[in-house]
Amino acid sequence: NAGVTQTPKFQVLKTGQSMTLQCAQDMNHNSMYWYRQDPGMGLRLIYYSASEGTTDKGEVPNGYNVSRLNKREFSLRLESAAPSQTSVYFCASSELDRASYEQYFGPGTRLTVT
Amino acid sequence: KQEVTQIPAALSVPEGENLVLNCSFTDSAIYNLQWFRQDPGKGLTSLLLIQSSQREQTSGRLNASLDKSSGRSTLYIAASQPGDSATYLCAVLYNQGGKLIFGQGTELSVKP
Repeated sequence: NAGVTQTPKFQVLKTGQSMTLQCAQDMNHNSMYWYRQDPGMGLRLIYYSASEGTTDKGEVPNGYNVSRLNKREFSLRLESAAPSQTSVYFCASSELDRASYEQYFGPGTRLTVT
Repeated sequence: KQEVTQIPAALSVPEGENLVLNCSFTDSAIYNLQWFRQDPGKGLTSLLLIQSSQREQTSGRLNASLDKSSGRSTLYIAASQPGDSATYLCAVLYNQGGKLIFGQGTELSVKP
């Protein structure tokens, strides 16, 4: 049981390049989330998916797109990377387990845009 | 606006001390509150989750309390150890299956 996995762990992009961050969970959770973490800003929600087939914007969605490929996988795409998107990206998932909605996080992807 | 604040931003204590980390939130209509630990360069590990109907949760040397009326939660760490050194994050959930709102964290250093 791996929990939440993310690929890649590290990535360096040039301005204008595109890439997709992958996330998968094996806990059969319905809800999945993408956050970014920046010094002095804390963790901020980019997009989330309450269930398979639905996605919603979070606090900082501009410059990103998401796809809920199936119940297990939720990807985050940067179409044209900008230096402001240099950050650590975390994927998380949650489920109604004894009414807790406890969120479980992946190890993160460290992205640098030059 | 729903905001979560953690004080202090950093804390350094000698090994063996009992310590308290503070978290405050502006909107008391919470669903639950989670405390996480984050080691440098790593992801978040969930420590304790308190439902809105609960007053406290305990796990080993950790005890988290919740006072919704005053918009506060505390994380108590007993007999601190150097291995407790990490950043501790508080996060509030306002809606079922919804978005966590995070505090900025308290960076704890426990000196041997």
